[in-house]
Amino acid sequence: TQLLEQSPQFLSIQEGENLTVYCNSSSVFSSLQWYRQEPGEGPVLLVTVVTGGEVKKLKRLTFQFGDARKDSSLHITAAQPGDTGLYLCAGVTGGTSYGKLTFGQGTILTVHP
Amino acid sequence: DAGVTQSPTHLIKTRGQHVTLRCSPISGHKSVSWYQQVLGQGPQFIFQYYEKEERGRGNFPDRFSARQFPNYSSELNVNALLLGDSALYLCASSLWTGTNQPQHFGDGTRLSIL
Repeated sequence: TQLLEQSPQFLSIQEGENLTVYCNSSSVFSSLQWYRQEPGEGPVLLVTVVTGGEVKKLKRLTFQFGDARKDSSLHITAAQPGDTGLYLCAGVTGGTSYGKLTFGQGTILTVHP
Repeated sequence: DAGVTQSPTHLIKTRGQHVTLRCSPISGHKSVSWYQQVLGQGPQFIFQYYEKEERGRGNFPDRFSARQFPNYSSELNVNALLLGDSALYLCASSLWTGTNQPQHFGDGTRLSIL
């Protein structure tokens, strides 16, 4: 069974602070995705990282895929209240005929003004 | 373009009943996946369908079944409901199947079992 461990589970910070969320597994994934989910809504894809060691930036968000494609991190610089939400990492497995997401348990981020 | 739409948005059932949840994918998307998200956890994969065929199944009992129709919409059926089936059920669609296809999620159906 493939498992993704996310840490921390909860994060409560002040506006302007920086934070990092970690996603770790003992399994290798084809790629890894990060989602943000708000209450009452479905997850929204933020980024997909595919190559080991890959770094992608999305405004104040920086995503990194581990060299062995087993772990990833999300770093937010100068967090804002609008960043509040549930952040989920998801490992992608399968092939050309099948694609499955294995999600971590999520990190609930609260940014206080 | 409309996103993934799911119905109903909320549903209350009692133990032992059965339920049917519906999903309409984004226009042009041929693959639909179903996920269960229990409160406080990440979504868990239930099924993936493509061209009306089951392409993948997660670790769920046979009480869970699904199908995909010629118009690529999908239904998830759960029989003999248990209290533990209370969750948000998410549907995701993609153009076709495979690991390189980004999945687009609907807002889910919140199922409560009394």
